[in-house]
Amino acid sequence: SQKIEQNSEALNIQEGKTATLTCNYTNYSPAYLQWYRQDPGRGPVFLLLIRENEKEKRKERLKVTFDTTLKQSLFHITASQPADSATYLCAPRTENYGQNFVFGPGTRLSVLP
Amino acid sequence: NAGVTQTPKFQVLKTGQSMTLQCAQDMNHNSMYWYRQDPGMGLRLIYYSASEGTTDKGEVPNGYNVSRLNKREFSLRLESAAPSQTSVYFCASSKLGVGTEAFFGQGTRLTVV
Repeated sequence: SQKIEQNSEALNIQEGKTATLTCNYTNYSPAYLQWYRQDPGRGPVFLLLIRENEKEKRKERLKVTFDTTLKQSLFHITASQPADSATYLCAPRTENYGQNFVFGPGTRLSVLP
Repeated sequence: NAGVTQTPKFQVLKTGQSMTLQCAQDMNHNSMYWYRQDPGMGLRLIYYSASEGTTDKGEVPNGYNVSRLNKREFSLRLESAAPSQTSVYFCASSKLGVGTEAFFGQGTRLTVV
């Protein structure tokens, strides 16, 4: 069955460092992969989408890579700030019309001042 | 623009009581979803509606029913609440198609005692 794993339940880093979060999937052939941010007590919010033919995507301090051979996406936050503290979820998606959204369990990132 | 609106925000039920969680979106989206989120379990899909007039079971549908009342509204009903249904419930919506993102409501925190 399809499975999505994210590297760890929680990750603590020092302010100013780069945070790297991992999303691995099995029994999937996603055409693209999405990343969402969830703050405590709120619903997830979409951040970035990367397609299978894109090796890397950037948005401000965020960078996402997608390796279909390794079945893995990496999500980087450079020059991290305490305001980046949140849970980050990945969602691999196929090209099936009318599919639902399946999310990884999430990684809770804490950026320490 | 309100986006996705869920009511109520908080609810306490006694075991065996019934209730309906309401969800409405004003983005003219075709697809709508209900998730539950439990600590350590991530977001799990209960039911979804790819388009008006259709509903499908997700990963954890037992104990729930849904109604896609019209394009805007998608309700989730607990007929006989159980303590195992204590959770945070999220409604989401998206355009129908490939490469779309999900928009989430603010969640309903339900406690069954």
